[in-house]
Amino acid sequence: GAVVSQHPSWVICKSGTSVKIECRSLDFQATTMFWYRQFPKQSLMLMATSNEGSKATYEQGVEKDKFLINHASLTLSTLTVTSAHPEDSSFYICSSGTYGERTDTQYFGPGTRLTVL
Amino acid sequence: AQSVAQPEDQVNVAEGNPLTVKCTYSVSGNPYLFWYVQYPNRGLQFLLKYITGDNLVKGSYGFEAEFNKSQTSFHLKKPSALVSDSALYFCAVRDSDSNYQLIWGAGTKLIIKP
Repeated sequence: GAVVSQHPSWVICKSGTSVKIECRSLDFQATTMFWYRQFPKQSLMLMATSNEGSKATYEQGVEKDKFLINHASLTLSTLTVTSAHPEDSSFYICSSGTYGERTDTQYFGPGTRLTVL
Repeated sequence: AQSVAQPEDQVNVAEGNPLTVKCTYSVSGNPYLFWYVQYPNRGLQFLLKYITGDNLVKGSYGFEAEFNKSQTSFHLKKPSALVSDSALYFCAVRDSDSNYQLIWGAGTKLIIKP
C-alpha cells in the first residue's frame, strides 16, 4: 500500500523556537494532505487541509500564522510550528490518500511527537 | 451535520472471545466508512473500509465490519480476540458528496486480557 513518511519522528525544542515537520508521500502523488493534532488518549483533530500549489485551508480555531503549511510539490507538505510554546506540545500526524468510489483510502504518517520545554 | 459516534470509551474482552467495537454515523450523502487502529506512540494503520458493494467487509488482522444502512452503523468485529489486538480503534466517515476530509469518532480503547 501507499506509504506516507514524516520527519522527524520526535523533536524537543525550547519555547520560542520554530519547528518544521515534513510529510512525504513515497509512492504516490498527493494533491491533498491533511494535518492532524492528537492529544493523549484523544481522537484526531484536523488542523488544516494542504493543497499542492495553493494556500492551505485551516479549521476554525487553528492559527494559520502559528502553524504554517507549505505544499510545494506533489510529494511534500511541511508544517512549521512558529514560536512554539509548551501548549503546542502534541502528536502531529499527516495523511494523504487516493480518492474515488473504488479506491478511497487515506494513509497516515507515523506521527511526530513535539515537546516544547 | 456529519458525525461519528463511538459510544464506548473502552471495551474489555478475554482472549479468544469475540469482540465488537461499535460505531454509528450521520452523513447527508452516501457514507464512505473506515476503521483505523493506533498502537501506543504510533501513527494510524488502516484496517478496512466500506465504499460500496457487500455490506460485510473484511480487513487486516482478521477484522471485519458490517455496514448497516438502516441503523447507520459500521461495527468492527473479530471472531477471536488476541492480546496483540489491544490498541486504540477509530471509526471515520467521509460523505461521498463532500471533500476528502474524514470525520473521526472519539476512539475506543480495546483491552484484551489473557
